[in-house]
Amino acid sequence: GQNIDQPTEMTATEGAIVQINCTYQTSGFNGLFWYQQHAGEAPTFLSYNVLDGLEEKGRFSSFLSRSKGYSYLLLKELQMKDSASYLCAVRDSNYQLIWGAGTKLIIKP
Amino acid sequence: ETGVTQSPTHLIKTRGQQVTLRCSSQSGHNTVSWYQQALGQGPQFIFQYYREEENGRGNFPPRFSGLQFPNYSSELNVNALELDDSALYLCASSPADSHSGANVLTFGAGSRLTVL
Repeated sequence: GQNIDQPTEMTATEGAIVQINCTYQTSGFNGLFWYQQHAGEAPTFLSYNVLDGLEEKGRFSSFLSRSKGYSYLLLKELQMKDSASYLCAVRDSNYQLIWGAGTKLIIKP
Repeated sequence: ETGVTQSPTHLIKTRGQQVTLRCSSQSGHNTVSWYQQALGQGPQFIFQYYREEENGRGNFPPRFSGLQFPNYSSELNVNALELDDSALYLCASSPADSHSGANVLTFGAGSRLTVL
């Protein structure tokens, strides 16, 4: 079967750095996405990785290792508005997105 | 440009009833996909429409059906509602070339369905 694993919940302090991990086992791989979802709102796109390595976009970076089936999302200089769920999704060989359950990130002052 | 809009935002149905959820895609997008998101879970892919044809389906029974219209808007229909159908139903649109690159999904805010 196909599986995406993420921690259920993480807590971090405002101004700090947090790393959210995602491991996957899917039938094929055609890219990995990270989305942010605030409670009661639509998921919004954060990043896309298809090749190994680090993609940086402002305070957010995403890393991919295809051989290890592993990605992480790195959030720097945390702000209270970063409190949200972070969803990892992999596009499989049928170009369907397989989603993790999401990691709820709690930011404390 | 307008984003993805969904209606209704909330609705309550009873077991056995039927429901229709509606979605207007973002301007310039002609691919629409539907997802079911249970509380505390990630989205589960229901199906995708491109040029009014279903071109991908997840592990959902036939009582989940859909339509896409010439203006690329879409409907999700669920018959014979069950208690487990209670969830947030998300519609997402994407550009035509959905198989390449960072084909980013733009999501609507969702329709929250409660089945009693």
